[in-house]
Amino acid sequence: DVKVTQSSRYLVKRTGEKVFLECVQDMDHENMFWYRQDPGLGLRLIYFSYDVKMKEKGDIPEGYSVSREKKERFSLILESASTNQTSMYLCASSFGSKETQYFGPGTRLLVL
Amino acid sequence: KNEVEQSPQNLTAQEGEFITINCSYSVGISALHWLQQHPGGGIVSLFMLSSGKKKHGRLIATINIQEKHSSLHITASHPRDSAVYICAVPLLQGAQKLVFGQGTRLTINP
Repeated sequence: DVKVTQSSRYLVKRTGEKVFLECVQDMDHENMFWYRQDPGLGLRLIYFSYDVKMKEKGDIPEGYSVSREKKERFSLILESASTNQTSMYLCASSFGSKETQYFGPGTRLLVL
Repeated sequence: KNEVEQSPQNLTAQEGEFITINCSYSVGISALHWLQQHPGGGIVSLFMLSSGKKKHGRLIATINIQEKHSSLHITASHPRDSAVYICAVPLLQGAQKLVFGQGTRLTINP
């Protein structure tokens, strides 16, 4: 079974802090994704990566950056956390461009 | 207008009822995804289909490409089916990027 893990289930940070969210998949998937999910807005793509060191902006990349140094690991970085980044963050991975995406359990981030 | 629209947004039913959730989309697609999200956040992919119908246990997904419409059916619904059901379609230009519907919150009462 594909396993996608995220570093934390719950996280509380203060405004201005640098925040790292990590995602690891164990199935040698090429593609990895970071989404945020907010009530009434659904899932929105922040960034995705289709290979090591490759990244593309999604729909809402402002205030975020990503890093993919190894194939299995995709990190989301909030350079200076703000209260409007309080959200549920979900990581996903897939093998090919048209394949099923497998999701991690999510990280619920609260920025105070 | 959202590119992917689901109806209803909320659905409450009694155990045993036949459930239908609808998804209409305006973008061209190669495949449509149905996802399930239980309380606590984890998302599971239920189906990916590009034509016709797929069945897995009590879940059936159908798609009509010409009408740009898909339905998810649950037969003999059970309280453990209570979850948010989300449909998603890839944009043609970047098939890896999915556009998601708002989700349908299903509650099955015993």
